[in-house]
Amino acid sequence: IAGITQAPTSQILAAGRRMTLRCTQDMRHNAMYWYRQDLGLGLRLIHYSNTAGTTGKGEVPDGYSVSRANTDDFPLTLASAVPSQTSVYFCASSEEGGSTDTQYFGPGTRLTVL
Amino acid sequence: GQNIDQPTEMTATEGAIVQINCTYQTSGFNGLFWYQQHAGEAPTFLSYNVLDGLEEKGRFSSFLSRSKGYSYLLLKELQMKDSASYLCAVLDSNYQLIWGAGTKLIIKP
Repeated sequence: IAGITQAPTSQILAAGRRMTLRCTQDMRHNAMYWYRQDLGLGLRLIHYSNTAGTTGKGEVPDGYSVSRANTDDFPLTLASAVPSQTSVYFCASSEEGGSTDTQYFGPGTRLTVL
Repeated sequence: GQNIDQPTEMTATEGAIVQINCTYQTSGFNGLFWYQQHAGEAPTFLSYNVLDGLEEKGRFSSFLSRSKGYSYLLLKELQMKDSASYLCAVLDSNYQLIWGAGTKLIIKP
């Protein structure tokens, strides 16, 4: 593994189903982030974690949950998917949270909710 | 509210120079980032400015004026591989990135 990996690459999901998007980094970064990217809009922060064991809400957290059991992994869960959650989801990491450190992005997960 | 404005799309010719502007209004300012994003790929870091002035990095330069809430990304000697979206993002008072919608740059031969 080099950098940040995300899985799956893409997924089509029926509304109401539960889905977990996976994110793993091997850079030993303390901070990790989940964004969604929609056409015509800027990236929007869903949740973040400044260190293992802590998480925080971003701009659009409703309908999503996260956990940070260890430094490397930061899964994003949609408990009951809705069509408005159709988007491209990017995971990112930085050395430290709450800082000016550069954020590095994973390749993204394209999610379609029908 | 917080707002980042960039042109939606720009077209330029291979070998030429293009300037992509970004204006912002945010609650606090801890620096401004530019990222490049090719279609279907992840954003990749280009530059970070926190002080006024021009930062040059090869063919790419980034300028910041904090008093005017303004930045631009200057791309010289354009190549076809520079066709991408360019994202402006401001680090606000909570050290969260506020993103513009991006500028799609089309390079013509």
